[in-house]
Amino acid sequence: EILMTQSPATLSVSPGERATLSCRASQSISNNLAWYQQKPGQAPRLLIHGASTRATGISARFSGSGSGTEFTLTINSLQSEDFAVYYCQQYTNWPPRFAFGPGTKVEIK
Amino acid sequence: EVRLVESGGGLVQPGRSLRLSCAASGFTFDDYAMHWVRQAPGKGLEWVSGISWNGGTMGYADTVKGRFTISRDKASNSLYLEVNSLRPEDTAVYYCVKVEGYLGGYFDNWGQGALVTVSS
Repeated sequence: EILMTQSPATLSVSPGERATLSCRASQSISNNLAWYQQKPGQAPRLLIHGASTRATGISARFSGSGSGTEFTLTINSLQSEDFAVYYCQQYTNWPPRFAFGPGTKVEIK
Repeated sequence: EVRLVESGGGLVQPGRSLRLSCAASGFTFDDYAMHWVRQAPGKGLEWVSGISWNGGTMGYADTVKGRFTISRDKASNSLYLEVNSLRPEDTAVYYCVKVEGYLGGYFDNWGQGALVTVSS
C-alpha cells in the first residue's frame, strides 16, 4: 500500500505571506500527485495535478513541485480566500486505497 | 459545464441499506471513470469506490468491500452506490467525483455531496 502523509497539520500564515505545504508518499509515485483545496461546507476543488500542472482556472499563486516521494504546494501572497484545508492525493495504483493525505489546514495568523 | 448532482442520502438505521445516485451532465459520461469519495464529520477525505469508463472494473476500500456496490448506467448518465449493512462509522458526506482517465486518476470534478447519517 502507498500511504500519504502531510505536514504540518496546521499552518498559521499572515495574509500576503507565502505558505509551503508538504506531502510525502511511502514509495515512489512518480508525478502522479494532485492537490485539492476544501473550504468549510464545500466540496474539494482540484488545484494541481501531475504534481505541478495547475487545473483550469486556478490562480498562478498556487504552484506545485516534486516527484517520487516528496511534494510541495506553495501558495504565494496568501489571500483571505486561500485559508482552507489542503489535501494531496496519489493516483498511481489501483484500487487507490489510502489515496489521500490527512490534510493541512492553512489558518490566519 | 460539468455537473454532478448526488441524491439519496438521509438518516438510516444501522444494518439498513440505501442507494446513492449521481446524475452527471456536461461531459461524455462514457469516456471517464467515476468514483465515490466520502468525508466523515470533521475528518479527512476517504476514497470509497471507483468504476472504470465502461463499467468493467470496480474497486472498493477495505472498509466497505462486500457491503457497497458501485455501478453506472450510460443511458441515464448516472452513477450509483448501493450501500448495505450500514454502520455508524459510514456516517459521512458522500461525493460523486469524475476522474480524468479511464479507471484511476485525479478527481477533476466533484458533486456537492450527499449526507448519510447512520444512527438508531
